[in-house]
Amino acid sequence: GAGVSQTPSNKVTEKGKYVELRCDPISGHTALYWYRQSLGQGPEFLIYFQGTGAADDSGLPNDRFFAVRPEGSVSTLKIQRTERGDSAVYLCASSLIGLSNSPLHFGNGTRLTVT
Amino acid sequence: DQQVKQNSPSLSVQEGRISILNCDYTNSMFDYFLWYKKYPAEGPTFLISISSIKDKNEDGRFTVFLNKSAKHLSLHIVPSQPGDSAVYFCAASPKGEKLTFGTGTRLTIIP
Repeated sequence: GAGVSQTPSNKVTEKGKYVELRCDPISGHTALYWYRQSLGQGPEFLIYFQGTGAADDSGLPNDRFFAVRPEGSVSTLKIQRTERGDSAVYLCASSLIGLSNSPLHFGNGTRLTVT
Repeated sequence: DQQVKQNSPSLSVQEGRISILNCDYTNSMFDYFLWYKKYPAEGPTFLISISSIKDKNEDGRFTVFLNKSAKHLSLHIVPSQPGDSAVYFCAASPKGEKLTFGTGTRLTIIP
């Protein structure tokens, strides 16, 4: 596939459970971003990877949220002890080098519902 | 603190006419601006961008205008087509860092 792939497309979990959301970026894209979109809002930045390292994680709301990209390609966003307020669409995006040179290409998102 | 604002949550335009979507920003460090289009159940799709060294960028039916002194940008779509019906997000970035998005404007093109 040519685009950014996110799995699962939908995830329903109970309050207090642990979830993992996966992102497969476009092949060759070194920059990877996670955003969160709540109802009626625009996407909000969570974390940005350049290669394997997190270049900016200032958007992670608290220490229940963590993301990894161990081989510089696939990334996993991990949420511990989920809360109802974590319910949102989680968007992943990638770009060739970084935002200064190429726009972000987004996946279709994972809709997380915490009951 | 909303650094990127889209004050019109919705806009309806007749097919064939011009659609104008507006965006204001407050952070003077922003130097790269983008418009994204989003259909339901899909991720945002890049439409057009402009850097702060320009005041206009055109791509087919889409033109983005940037007024740095007013901290305002707009997206013009002409002529508007039914397939343009979507939510449009304005986004901005300081020096190639993370994007900050507005809350979006839902554009409806009336056939």
